[in-house]
Amino acid sequence: DAGVIQSPRHEVTEMGQEVTLRCKPISGHDYLFWYRQTMMRGLELLIYFNNNVPIDDSGMPEDRFSAKMPNASFSTLKIQPSEPRDSAVYFCASSGTGYNQPQHFGDGTRLSIL
Amino acid sequence: ELKVEQNPLFLSMQEGKNYTIYCNYSTTSDRLYWYRQDPGKSLESLFVLLSNGAVKQEGRLMASLDTKARLSTLHITAAVHDLSATYFCAVGLVGGSQGNLIFGKGTKLSVKP
Repeated sequence: DAGVIQSPRHEVTEMGQEVTLRCKPISGHDYLFWYRQTMMRGLELLIYFNNNVPIDDSGMPEDRFSAKMPNASFSTLKIQPSEPRDSAVYFCASSGTGYNQPQHFGDGTRLSIL
Repeated sequence: ELKVEQNPLFLSMQEGKNYTIYCNYSTTSDRLYWYRQDPGKSLESLFVLLSNGAVKQEGRLMASLDTKARLSTLHITAAVHDLSATYFCAVGLVGGSQGNLIFGKGTKLSVKP
């Protein structure tokens, strides 16, 4: 079975541009998570969805960040406008229902804002 | 607020030696997860621990959970170079939503010949 698929793998763009990160979760998983990883702050949960519905977005840093999940097989994380401090690795993860279900992570998107 | 603390944050070991990584957390929890991350790669699930006294083993790694002490350990036996990676624990609140996990800062393990 294919794992969590993220695109793009790398993104370099200039400050002020819109950035869209994409994620395809594992088929059958009903939880989807977006994380950000930096050296300074470690791994932070930004938002997660259950059955395509956003459950907790308290980790979204500010209004410049938005996430959607229009269907069970696709999610986007958008940053508009982007700033240099948004530079990080962004991970998408998915899991089945139940505490015994670990989260499965994608390969991440390495984002650099110049 | 749930806080998760791992130590050590950096660990340099020689091959063949044993060592333990500790994961302490600040409030009651009923679930704890261990992950491994190779440099520049994704996080890979290692263990899921759901009850007090739970112990799981895979190869040279063994994880345990003591919910009363709010402590999990990841024990490495006879380390080999392939175990070099960063190891994270992640903890969820009792009765909390499945999605709300707090990750530790990670322990970067380097195994030298």
